[in-house]
Amino acid sequence: IAGITQAPTSQILAAGRRMTLRCTQDMRHNAMYWYRQDLGLGLRLIHYSNTAGTTGKGEVPDGYSVSRANTDDFPLTLASAVPSQTSVYFCASSDSSQGNTEAFFGQGTRLTVV
Amino acid sequence: GESVGLHLPTLSVQEGDNSIINCAYSNSASDYFIWYKQESGKGPQFIIDIRSNMDKRQGQRVTVLLNKTVKHLSLQIAATQPGDSAVYFCAEIAAGGTSYGKLTFGQGTILTVHP
Repeated sequence: IAGITQAPTSQILAAGRRMTLRCTQDMRHNAMYWYRQDLGLGLRLIHYSNTAGTTGKGEVPDGYSVSRANTDDFPLTLASAVPSQTSVYFCASSDSSQGNTEAFFGQGTRLTVV
Repeated sequence: GESVGLHLPTLSVQEGDNSIINCAYSNSASDYFIWYKQESGKGPQFIIDIRSNMDKRQGQRVTVLLNKTVKHLSLQIAATQPGDSAVYFCAEIAAGGTSYGKLTFGQGTILTVHP
């Protein structure tokens, strides 16, 4: 059972380039989330989705976009990367439609923008 | 933009002692409050949650207390073990309304357990 998978594991990206971080889950969870975690800090919500076809903005959405074309996939796109987007990015999913609060996290993507 | 120069609070305990980790939350409309544990190099893992209409919930070696009057949440770990060493985050989620399903995290605390 894969659970939730992120790709790539790490990436060094030139400033100004476009980048899509991939996230796939096989648990048929309705809700998916993207967070960034800067060194020594907590997790900040970027975007989230309660069901396929819907998305919502989190605490730090600027510079990022998401789509939820189907239940399993929730890609995060940086249209034009900047150094301040250097961070570890975590994707998560949960079966919130059943009142569950437990979110399952991927292993993270370490992104460095230079 | 990025946060500047913030450091997580730390808690050091001896193995076998009880640990209490605290969290202040801001959103009174949240329906559930949750504790997560994050080990180095890994994503957070769910520990326990509590519904907003409760003030206490117990799990295996853990107890969560909720004080809505002062918007305070705490996690008590009994007989702390070295394997409990990690960063602990509180989180909150709304079960309805305009912020339905928005899972946000609060401050973290670094717990170090000494043998």
